[in-house]
Amino acid sequence: AQKVTQAQTEISVVEKEDVTLDCVYETRDTTYYLFWYKQPPSGELVFLIRRNSFDEQNEISGRYSWNFQKSTSSFNFTITASQVVDSAVYFCALSDPHSSASKIIFGSGTRLSIRP
Amino acid sequence: ETGVTQSPTHLIKTRGQQVTLRCSSQSGHNTVSWYQQALGQGPQFIFQYYREEENGRGNFPPRFSGLQFPNYSSELNVNALELDDSALYLCASSSGQSDEQYFGPGTRLTVT
Repeated sequence: AQKVTQAQTEISVVEKEDVTLDCVYETRDTTYYLFWYKQPPSGELVFLIRRNSFDEQNEISGRYSWNFQKSTSSFNFTITASQVVDSAVYFCALSDPHSSASKIIFGSGTRLSIRP
Repeated sequence: ETGVTQSPTHLIKTRGQQVTLRCSSQSGHNTVSWYQQALGQGPQFIFQYYREEENGRGNFPPRFSGLQFPNYSSELNVNALELDDSALYLCASSSGQSDEQYFGPGTRLTVT
């Protein structure tokens, strides 16, 4: 069965610090997608990234970077020089390729608080 | 380009009642997925509609049902509401069955 684990329930850092959110997933499939979503207090899930299981190249987008390691089934997310606006709940997710639908399996989320 | 919209924003219902939640998909998107997010948890997949047909379902009882209309908007219906149905209900649209999903702001349902 597919499963996503985000062991860090809450993280609090001071502004401008770097912070890494951990994500570990379980799947027996060789083809899948991994995602990160941001959920600010407004509730709307904001798409951040989708990664194909065959592409292990790390990605950087501004202050955000993602480290995908298939060997350890991890897909970690790092925010560099954090800002107060980064405060939100972040979800790691995994697509279920056995579903006829684009079913996404979410982790339980990490609540990130950035203190000024 | 109009994003995904949902109505109502908030809703309070009594146990045993029925509720209908609505979702308008993003322009050009023909697929709508519904998720339930209980407080402090990640979203759970309810079902997906593709071209007006249910196209996959999560582990939810039959009292959770849906519709998709020719304009690709969608409804989520929940019958015989239970206290545990209290949650944020999220709708997501995509341009295909496996493409990136774009989420709406959600409807917060409280069952008393």
